[in-house]
Amino acid sequence: AQKITQTQPGMFVQEKEAVTLDCTYDTSDQSYGLFWYKQPSSGEMIFLIYQGSYDEQNATEGRYSLNFQKARKSANLVISASQLGDSAMYFCAMGTETSYDKVIFGPGTSLSVIP
Amino acid sequence: DAMVIQNPRYQVTQFGKPVTLSCSQTLNHNVMYWYQQKSSQAPKLLFHYYDKDFNNEADTPDNFQSRRPNTSFCFLDIRSPGLGDAAMYLCATSIRGTNTEAFFGQGTRLTVV
Repeated sequence: AQKITQTQPGMFVQEKEAVTLDCTYDTSDQSYGLFWYKQPSSGEMIFLIYQGSYDEQNATEGRYSLNFQKARKSANLVISASQLGDSAMYFCAMGTETSYDKVIFGPGTSLSVIP
Repeated sequence: DAMVIQNPRYQVTQFGKPVTLSCSQTLNHNVMYWYQQKSSQAPKLLFHYYDKDFNNEADTPDNFQSRRPNTSFCFLDIRSPGLGDAAMYLCATSIRGTNTEAFFGQGTRLTVV
């Protein structure tokens, strides 16, 4: 069975500082993809970044980077230079080879950026 | 341009009165999902379609049904809404495979009175 764990229910970060949101996952599949989504209070789910299990380099998208440690089954999201608009819920998600149509989500981390 | 569109954004229905939520996509993706998200919780997958193949999650109540008449449209039918069904319902689409993200609509917030 696949599972996503996010151990930080809430995080605070000072504006312009970097923050790391933790995500660990469990799967027996060799091929899988990891995603991070942002959900502002408006409710829409915004895709941020993707990491494939066979990707050797950590994914980066602008201010977002993914710290992928395959042996530890972790895929932490790093947001550099936090902005007030980054305040939102952040979900780590996974799709796997044997259940490739199913994207499952972790419980989420609420990030608050402080001016 | 919106690529996954959910209507309506807000829906109020009476306890026990059937309600239908709709989702349309312009991406021509072969997979469409319905998620239920309650306050401060992660989205929970209810079911998904791969083309016309319907895949129900084991713990999705029978009260929830879905239809996908064509590639572009997918409907969520709640046959007899209960107070516990009040939630945000998210529709998403993707292309089958592990390396493509799911694109989400803006969601329909359902209130049951």
